[in-house]
Amino acid sequence: AQSVSQHNHHVILSEAASLELGCNYSYGGTVNLFWYVQYPGQHLQLLLKYFSGDPLVKGIKGFEAEFIKSKFSFNLRKPSVQWSDTAEYFCAVIDTGRRALTFGSGTRLQVQP
Amino acid sequence: DVKVTQSSRYLVKRTGEKVFLECVQDMDHENMFWYRQDPGLGLRLIYFSYDVKMKEKGDIPEGYSVSREKKERFSLILESASTNQTSMYLCASGRGVGTQYFGPGTRLLVL
Repeated sequence: AQSVSQHNHHVILSEAASLELGCNYSYGGTVNLFWYVQYPGQHLQLLLKYFSGDPLVKGIKGFEAEFIKSKFSFNLRKPSVQWSDTAEYFCAVIDTGRRALTFGSGTRLQVQP
Repeated sequence: DVKVTQSSRYLVKRTGEKVFLECVQDMDHENMFWYRQDPGLGLRLIYFSYDVKMKEKGDIPEGYSVSREKKERFSLILESASTNQTSMYLCASGRGVGTQYFGPGTRLLVL
């Protein structure tokens, strides 16, 4: 079974700091990759996704992620965080045979003004 | 806009009760999913369905069952609720291996 690892469980940053959240997955076949975000009291929503093509994908609110196949990684980045980015971030993978998402354990980001 | 709705935001039940959680989506998606979300564990798949009356077990199906009689509706059933089923339950829908869209969640407390 595939698994997804998020290395940072709780990250605290000041506004304007740069962000990188790590994500590694275990499946060796074809995968689709996602980052979801859950703002306090809100639905889980899609931040960005990678299916194929350019391994650097851009999402909403200035977020981007880079797929590195050789490292089984899909790290999330943002050059300058804002207080409104305070949320929990989940990396997730679908392999083409399964249809259901496998999630990482999540990273709680706290941005201090 | 895709909309996934769940019947309750908060539920409090007693141990041993039968609990029904309902989910409805309005985008004609063939796939529907039930996950539970627990702190430090992320989201874990309980069951999913890829068509009416079809279901497949996810990673943690024990103590749960599901029903999908209509394409837009997917129900999660706790046959006899236990305290270790206290959790946040999230429903999602989607097509193929594409993006999944999530409902607001049901926070269930089993006493």
